[in-house]
Amino acid sequence: GIQVEQSPPDLILQEGANSTLRCNFSDSVNNLQWFHQNPWGQLINLFYIPSGTKQNGRLSATTVATERYSLLYISSSQTTDSGVYFCAVPPPETSGSRLTFGEGTQLTVNP
Amino acid sequence: DTEVTQTPKHLVMGMTNKKSLKCEQHMGHRAMYWYKQKAKKPPELMFVYSYEKLSINESVPSRFSPECPNSSLLNLHLHALQPEDSALYLCASSPGEGAWLAAYNEQFFGPGTRLTVL
Repeated sequence: GIQVEQSPPDLILQEGANSTLRCNFSDSVNNLQWFHQNPWGQLINLFYIPSGTKQNGRLSATTVATERYSLLYISSSQTTDSGVYFCAVPPPETSGSRLTFGEGTQLTVNP
Repeated sequence: DTEVTQTPKHLVMGMTNKKSLKCEQHMGHRAMYWYKQKAKKPPELMFVYSYEKLSINESVPSRFSPECPNSSLLNLHLHALQPEDSALYLCASSPGEGAWLAAYNEQFFGPGTRLTVL
């Protein structure tokens, strides 16, 4: 099956700092999702980004499908950004029923 | 409204109990999912329902029994669970299945049910 690797596994920032999270995947994909899991367990959709660049406030994401990676940028981080960030992809040539998640990046933002 | 709701939020049950988890969405989605998530691990797919029919069962033990009464509701019936089944159970939905949806099939997750089996 498709392999998904995220880096770094852990990241500690001071409030106000910027960061880049990376997601590598082993095969071509039709879509890719970034999620933020808050401390209560809720998975929040950040981006649905099979290719290109999207921005939402302080967050942006870029997926380069031909090179099989996606980047999530967090600017001016806040303590509420803490949590686990997952990327997830479906198997190639499918519509996305079976999402494979990376192991996640645990982000801690200190005041 | 991109909301998936789940009840209960927390559940504690003994190994001989029977309980059910419930999930509801009103986005008109035709695919619904159950995931299991252990601490410090990513979610793992358990079941997929497509157009109210079970389309994927990821070799889940029979003590977990899914049910899709209609296109908005998804249940997970629990019976004779083991302590190692304690986890966060997440429900999700997406527009549907099919290659034509490849560009639009974003999954949305509910808040989860935190299950403890004693």
